[in-house]
Amino acid sequence: QQPVQSPQAVILREGEDAVINCSSSKALYSVHWYRQKHGEAPVFLMILLKGGEQKGHDKISASFNEKKQQSSLYLTASQLSYSGTYFCGTGNFGNEKLTFGTGTRLTIIP
Amino acid sequence: KAGVTQTPRYLIKTRGQQVTLSCSPISGHRSVSWYQQTPGQGLQFLFEYFSETQRNKGNFPGRFSGRQFSNSRSEMNVSTLELGDSALYLCASSLLAGGMYEQYFGPGTRLTVT
Repeated sequence: QQPVQSPQAVILREGEDAVINCSSSKALYSVHWYRQKHGEAPVFLMILLKGGEQKGHDKISASFNEKKQQSSLYLTASQLSYSGTYFCGTGNFGNEKLTFGTGTRLTIIP
Repeated sequence: KAGVTQTPRYLIKTRGQQVTLSCSPISGHRSVSWYQQTPGQGLQFLFEYFSETQRNKGNFPGRFSGRQFSNSRSEMNVSTLELGDSALYLCASSLLAGGMYEQYFGPGTRLTVT
């Protein structure tokens, strides 16, 4: 079953923070996060594994909550370049068979 | 380093025809996976190849097939095309080494079936 992402869409001003959630009805083992800009291919952001808690780089980080079967992506002090659609992909670590979330469209305005 | 390349970038085919798409991964990446993206269904996993073997397969009919060559380049084939096969087909190559994982997508092939 497809993971559910929330919110579906969000508009923020530059400098504001955003949280995107990815909830699965099945046990989570690994979660991939991607950003896709309109007309472009997805870009891999990071992967989180069962047993791990949080990771990130620069102002983008993510957490993995095994009990809640949920992962959250955090974007702090958002920049215009953060605009795009964010997808989570869930699966088992070590293979690429992912089930993708419904997507969250993030728009950053000046 | 050179990115993932896909050819052709755009394709228009007629129902009933077949099509072959090609993907060249990043040098050193042995895993190549294919995805279909449509406005209605979103991103869906098709299959993954690793060292010339299909390692995983998604829930697509047998009309969708693929293969990987010894140089890691991969092709996917769709036979007896249907209108619903119109989509952006993405391939991605990945590497897992020393506890580090990286994955890169190609620009995609936009297939239109008329």
